[in-house]
Amino acid sequence: AQSVSQHNHHVILSEAASLELGCNYSYGGTVNLFWYVQYPGQHLQLLLKYFSGDPLVKGIKGFEAEFIKSKFSFNLRKPSVQWSDTAEYFCAVNSFNTDKLIFGTGTRLQVFP
Amino acid sequence: DAGVTQSPTHLIKTRGQQVTLRCSPKSGHDTVSWYQQALGQGPQFIFQYYEEEERQRGNFPDRFSGHQFPNYSSELNVNALLLGDSALYLCASSPGGRTDTQYFGPGTRLTVL
Repeated sequence: AQSVSQHNHHVILSEAASLELGCNYSYGGTVNLFWYVQYPGQHLQLLLKYFSGDPLVKGIKGFEAEFIKSKFSFNLRKPSVQWSDTAEYFCAVNSFNTDKLIFGTGTRLQVFP
Repeated sequence: DAGVTQSPTHLIKTRGQQVTLRCSPKSGHDTVSWYQQALGQGPQFIFQYYEEEERQRGNFPDRFSGHQFPNYSSELNVNALLLGDSALYLCASSPGGRTDTQYFGPGTRLTVL
């Protein structure tokens, strides 16, 4: 069965620090990969997605993610975080076979001024 | 253009009762997926409706059932509620039977006492 692992459950950073959140998935076939964000009191929003092509994907608000097929990874990065990036971040995957969206357990990011 | 809407916002039920949650998809979307998000966890896929039929189902018991109406809105029904059913229930809509472009609603917080 497909699964998604997010290694960091809770990350605390100061503003301007760099961010990298890990995500690994288990599925051998072709997949689509996503990062969603849930700001406090708001609903899930899509940050970025990878379907095919350039493995370095750029999303909204300065976020980017790199798909490394050999490592089954899709890590999220941001060079300099802001206080407004405080949120819960979810990695998700779906496959062409099942078309179900499978989420990781999430990483809570707290950014302090 | 209204996004995905869900009702009610909050709901409190007791064990053994039945509950119905409602979702209106984003304009132009014909596919509705339901997710359960327990506290501290990522969303878990319950099922997906397209063309008024259940197309995909996650690992949830038959107590969880749904319906899609001709206007694409959807209901999630849960029978014989258990304490463990307490969670945030999310609805997501997408076009054309796919999950690669999903928009999420704000969710319904269900508490089972």
